[in-house]
Amino acid sequence: SQQGEEDPQALSIQEGENATMNCSYKTSINNLQWYRQNSGRGLVHLILIRSNEREKHSGRLRVTLDTSKKSSSLLITASRAADTASYFCATDARNYGQNFVFGPGTRLSVLP
Amino acid sequence: DTAVSQTPKYLVTQMGNDKSIKCEQNLGHDTMYWYKQDSKKFLKIMFSYNNKELIINETVPNRFSPKSPDKAHLNLHINSLELGDSAVYFCASSPGQGKGAFFGQGTRLTVV
Repeated sequence: SQQGEEDPQALSIQEGENATMNCSYKTSINNLQWYRQNSGRGLVHLILIRSNEREKHSGRLRVTLDTSKKSSSLLITASRAADTASYFCATDARNYGQNFVFGPGTRLSVLP
Repeated sequence: DTAVSQTPKYLVTQMGNDKSIKCEQNLGHDTMYWYKQDSKKFLKIMFSYNNKELIINETVPNRFSPKSPDKAHLNLHINSLELGDSAVYFCASSPGQGKGAFFGQGTRLTVV
């Protein structure tokens, strides 16, 4: 079964608001990553958090990781219309070796 | 220069045909991947190559075969195409364990 599951599947917010997306996974991981995919484009790597880290920041992005709950969250602060995209979490799972297992994604719409 | 480039961007072909998708990365990465994204945006790993060695091969039909002439290239060959093969195929590369992946722009394959 799929390693990662994002929640919610879709999210609509107003520009300026914060957006929070969650990811749950099932097995032990080396790290967890978040990617963005704009419509019709490839995935862009946003941020990586290692299994021994609990929180990481990059610009307007904040990622948390709770290995006891096997979950992660991505917070985008002060959202912009340009943040409209699908967001995926991917796990670098220990039993998959060097492989990235993706969840189904959260589709974020930021309304101007 | 594009870091990970794949060609063609669009491919429309008839059932039963054989086709190839090319991928090249100029990042000097050791590992390359092929992913399939279905109509529901679900990303599934197909293959990964590390230093010319296939290290992961998921439950993919043997009609699909990766070919790596050198470290910078990982091409995908598909024989006897079927309607269910219609999807977007992404090539990606990664520098190694604990690092994120860089994705190409995708190839939209439509089998008619």
